[in-house]
Amino acid sequence: EVQLVESGGDLVQPGGSLRLSCSVSGFTFSSHALHWVRQAPGKGLEYVSGISSNGDSTFHADSVKGRFTISRDNSKNTLYLQMSSLRAEDTAVYYCVRSSAYFDYWGQGTLVTVSS
Amino acid sequence: EIVMTQSPATLSVSPGERAALSCRASQSISSSLAWFQQRPGQAPRLLIYGASTRATGIPARFSGSGSGTEFTLTISSLQSEDFAVYYCQHYYTWPPGTFGQGTKVEIK
Repeated sequence: EVQLVESGGDLVQPGGSLRLSCSVSGFTFSSHALHWVRQAPGKGLEYVSGISSNGDSTFHADSVKGRFTISRDNSKNTLYLQMSSLRAEDTAVYYCVRSSAYFDYWGQGTLVTVSS
Repeated sequence: EIVMTQSPATLSVSPGERAALSCRASQSISSSLAWFQQRPGQAPRLLIYGASTRATGIPARFSGSGSGTEFTLTISSLQSEDFAVYYCQHYYTWPPGTFGQGTKVEIK
């Protein structure tokens, strides 16, 4: 069974940093690109970051470019999102998503709240 | 950047009725389109990919059609568990692109 489990969400002050993790099982980790998608309270889905299966290619949305960094450790079957210079508008549930071209499996999400 | 536009924003339907949701791409994306369902408090789940192929375990009452720039998700006979928000997303480019703004299907 494919599983993606996010962790690391927390309450953090504006300007602070946080690292999200996504631990996966049930499939060959190194064969799939992985992504982070977020959803602010009461809002729609926003694509945040993506990383290729071997980690050579990464992408970050303009809204997080220069502040967030996606990475993966294929030896630990874990995806990461390092977030810095956090803003109130980064408050959201962050989902870890597997892709097989299209997004086929989603984690349950982890809540990041940026507030003083 | 390819922009995805969904309509309507909200669709009010009675149980057992048919619902048709629209998604339009700002340029041709061939059949590289997926639909997702999100129930309250839950993560999104894949319904349709390749514009018309149902994902594993998705009931036959869900169907997708279209290609190029115009796409439709049809729910043939709405069940109580189908009242949710539906999103479309293209994957014509890498990384997969932006989502539509969503259509909320509510009970009439």
